[in-house]
Amino acid sequence: DVKVTQSSRYLVKRTGEKVFLECVQDMDHENMFWYRQDPGLGLRLIYFSYDVKMKEKGDIPEGYSVSREKKERFSLILESASTNQTSMYLCASSLPRGGGGYEQYFGPGTRLTVT
Amino acid sequence: GQNIDQPTEMTATEGAIVQINCTYQTSGFNGLFWYQQHAGEAPTFLSYNVLDGLEEKGRFSSFLSRSKGYSYLLLKELQMKDSASYLCAVDHNTNAGKSTFGDGTTLTVKP
Repeated sequence: DVKVTQSSRYLVKRTGEKVFLECVQDMDHENMFWYRQDPGLGLRLIYFSYDVKMKEKGDIPEGYSVSREKKERFSLILESASTNQTSMYLCASSLPRGGGGYEQYFGPGTRLTVT
Repeated sequence: GQNIDQPTEMTATEGAIVQINCTYQTSGFNGLFWYQQHAGEAPTFLSYNVLDGLEEKGRFSSFLSRSKGYSYLLLKELQMKDSASYLCAVDHNTNAGKSTFGDGTTLTVKP
C-alpha cells in the first residue's frame, strides 16, 4: 500500500524560528512535491524534486527552501518563519500511471501555526 | 500562466446527481485529474482523463473536452459521505509529473 508520511500533524512555531517539515515516501517514487493549502487559494506548489539533489521552484517558493538528500525523503525548510506562513502543508509523491499522467499520493498534512 | 476555474461551493440532496465543472487555460496539457479531499484529510485520486469523452467509474464519471478546455465530474446517487472538496488538476506533461490544481469545489450533501 502506498504511504506518504509527514513528521508532524500539528506544529506551532514562533516568528523568526527555523522550521523543518519532513516527508517520507516508501514507494520509490522519483518525484516529490511540497504544497501549501489555504482557504480560497487552493493547493499551491512551493517546490518539487524529480530526483535526489534535484529541485525546482514551484509557484510560491519565496521564504522556503528544500532538501532531497535521499530518494525517499523531501524536506521543506522555513529559514525564518513568519505569520503569513501559517498554513496547511501537504507533501506528495508521484508515479506514472499505466493509463497516462502522474498520479500524486499525498501525505496527511502538517498544520503549521506561526505566532 | 495557468488558470483553472471551478465553483467554490455546491449543495445537493442525497440520492441526486451533481455535476462539478472545471475550465482551464494552461501551458502544457497532457490530461486532467480529479481528486477528492474530505475535511482535514489529504486529497485522494478519483479519475484521470487524457482523451476527449466520458470515463465512467461506478457512481463517479469524468468528462473532458480538450478543444474547449473543459472538464466535469459527475456524481450519481449522492451519499452523505460524498460531502467533500473536489479538486481538478491539470497534468502538464512533464517528466516531473507536475500538476496545477484548481481551488476546489466544496460539495455539501444534505439529507
